[in-house]
Amino acid sequence: EDQVTQSPEALRLQEGESSSLNCSYTVSGLRGLFWYRQDPGKGPEFLFTLYSAGEEKEKERLKATLTKKESFLHITAPKPEDSATYLCAVQAPLYSGGYNKLIFGAGTRLAVHP
Amino acid sequence: GAGVSQSPSNKVTEKGKDVELRCDPISGHTALYWYRQSLGQGLEFLIYFQGNSAPDKSGLPSDRFSAERTGGSVSTLTIQRTQQEDSAVYLCASSFDPGQGLYYNSPLHFGNGTRLTVT
Repeated sequence: EDQVTQSPEALRLQEGESSSLNCSYTVSGLRGLFWYRQDPGKGPEFLFTLYSAGEEKEKERLKATLTKKESFLHITAPKPEDSATYLCAVQAPLYSGGYNKLIFGAGTRLAVHP
Repeated sequence: GAGVSQSPSNKVTEKGKDVELRCDPISGHTALYWYRQSLGQGLEFLIYFQGNSAPDKSGLPSDRFSAERTGGSVSTLTIQRTQQEDSAVYLCASSFDPGQGLYYNSPLHFGNGTRLTVT
């Protein structure tokens, strides 16, 4: 069964304290792994797509990496505005054909304090 | 242009009542998805529409749930005889998807959801 597991569930950091969020997955034939950011009361906002092991993508203080079994979201010198829930999702087969269904993990709630 | 729009933003209903949730996708996006997010849970896939193809309903939790998409644009998710366990945030997303079973990696763009509370 296709599954996505994120850890930790919650993470509290001091401003400037770098850390990493983990996303481990089991899926038959990974087509893509996505990272989203979700603020309270809002829908998820797209951050990155990764396709193959060894790939890395960066955006401001965030860097996403991918291996054959997991992905990491590295946060360098975070600021309070980075506080949000970070969601990981993998692309999986649709019942009706095609591969555009996303299976999401439960997310990591990040709080960055000044 | 505008992003994905959902209405209402909040809905409180009594157990046993029917509710309709609306989604206006981004113009030009061919694919539309409904997800459900319960407290502390990941997003749960409900249904997928692509063009004129038959929708993928494999995620609908029971026959009380149904959805339609009119004219390839606006979608309505209907929950009949609501139960307390239906309380959640219902999220709609759209993307450009060529369909026909082709793999495409256009990211999903989400609306801000409808928070449904069944009392």
